[in-house]
Amino acid sequence: GQNIDQPTEMTATEGAIVQINCTYQTSGFNGLFWYQQHAGEAPTFLSYNVLDGLEEKGRFSSFLSRSKGYSYLLLKELQMKDSASYLCACSPWGKLQFGAGTQVVVTP
Amino acid sequence: DADVTQTPRNRITKTGKRIMLECSQTKGHDRMYWYRQDPGLGLRLIYYSFDVKDINKGEISDGYSVSRQAQAKFSLSLESAIPNQTALYFCATSDGTSGSETQYFGPGTRLLVL
Repeated sequence: GQNIDQPTEMTATEGAIVQINCTYQTSGFNGLFWYQQHAGEAPTFLSYNVLDGLEEKGRFSSFLSRSKGYSYLLLKELQMKDSASYLCACSPWGKLQFGAGTQVVVTP
Repeated sequence: DADVTQTPRNRITKTGKRIMLECSQTKGHDRMYWYRQDPGLGLRLIYYSFDVKDINKGEISDGYSVSRQAQAKFSLSLESAIPNQTALYFCATSDGTSGSETQYFGPGTRLLVL
């Protein structure tokens, strides 16, 4: 089975950096996804890591360590519009298994 | 136009009623999925289909059924709705080819069962 853990909520100030950690235990691992979801809206794809290391995409970066079952999403230069839920998901056998999400609150 | 559409966007129904939620996609993807989202529980997979002739149960399929009418259409039915099926329902699609398991979500259907 799968077990995916991420913090429930994080608060940070506009312009700051926030790191959202995700740990997972899964069989048939085939990659780690991060999605962003604003309240009442659909999740939107942010990043995908299948190999160990850091993937950078503008203000967002994602890191994966397969041996440790660990990933993080790094949000830099936070903006008010980054206030949202961030979902960590593992990809076993062509499906996605989601964590419960981390609510990021950006304050002025 | 949106690549993944869901109808209706909002629905209120009564306990015991049969309802159908519909999903259509123009992405040309073979794989389609139905999820429900409840506060604090994240997204949970109800059913998924890897092609038109393939239907698979997810982790919470009890009380639900699906139909894959075409590559572009995947419907979710609640045969006899109950209040604990009140949730936000999402349809998603993916290409499924090697390295392309990214899923793309529809806008969601908010369902209230009274």
